[in-house]
Amino acid sequence: QSVLTQPPSVSGAPGQRVSISCTGSSSNIGVGYDVHWYQQLPGTAPKLLIFGNNNRPSGVPDRFSGSKSGTSASLAITGLQAEDEADYYCQSYDSSLSGSNVFGTGTKVTVL
Amino acid sequence: EVQLVESGGGLIQPGGSLTLSCAASGFTVSLNYMSWVRQAPGKGLEWVSVVYSGGTTDYADSVKGRFTISRDNSKNTLYLQMNSLRAEDTAVYYCARGLVEMATYYFDYWGQGTLVTVSS
Repeated sequence: QSVLTQPPSVSGAPGQRVSISCTGSSSNIGVGYDVHWYQQLPGTAPKLLIFGNNNRPSGVPDRFSGSKSGTSASLAITGLQAEDEADYYCQSYDSSLSGSNVFGTGTKVTVL
Repeated sequence: EVQLVESGGGLIQPGGSLTLSCAASGFTVSLNYMSWVRQAPGKGLEWVSVVYSGGTTDYADSVKGRFTISRDNSKNTLYLQMNSLRAEDTAVYYCARGLVEMATYYFDYWGQGTLVTVSS
């Protein structure tokens, strides 16, 4: 089980705003490590969505935004679209783990 | 254009060995952090291993002592030697390029993945 906890699923109607939490602890997000987010469409490799807590790579729509506070981070999707239906993962460091890298448990976003 | 192409997956019996390859193009493997990340069927992402640009390596506890990450600079290729394979190693294995951000690194390019199935 990952040390970064995400809700298993979130859903919303087209055009709505949804938010995905990534809850950590004082050995990872809480100590100041950056959080990154990935989108995985069905049957495909993960794609970088947000890096450094709130930065979008070129080509990622500004409907996607990230934030971090305390021991948690969040990914928000505004103006939800059908093509946003995918799995989303947060990623950070944890000083208590071998290799330090850790992914969140993952969240399935369903567009109603 | 950056590309990562994995190969070497397949069906292997428990206790067996397999080597995965990841051929890179559009950038130099030896100048970057390169990782393997795996995903068991229907499960989430699990970081497996990294080779840093300086050549040092690191592993998740679940594979330490059984898996070895390496690179061939002349071929610009990343490898993962997997020994003593177990059923729980069954997964799609992705190679990914890591970019440093403050005290962490994130993965900006991923391969398409190669499936490893450990079963008798």
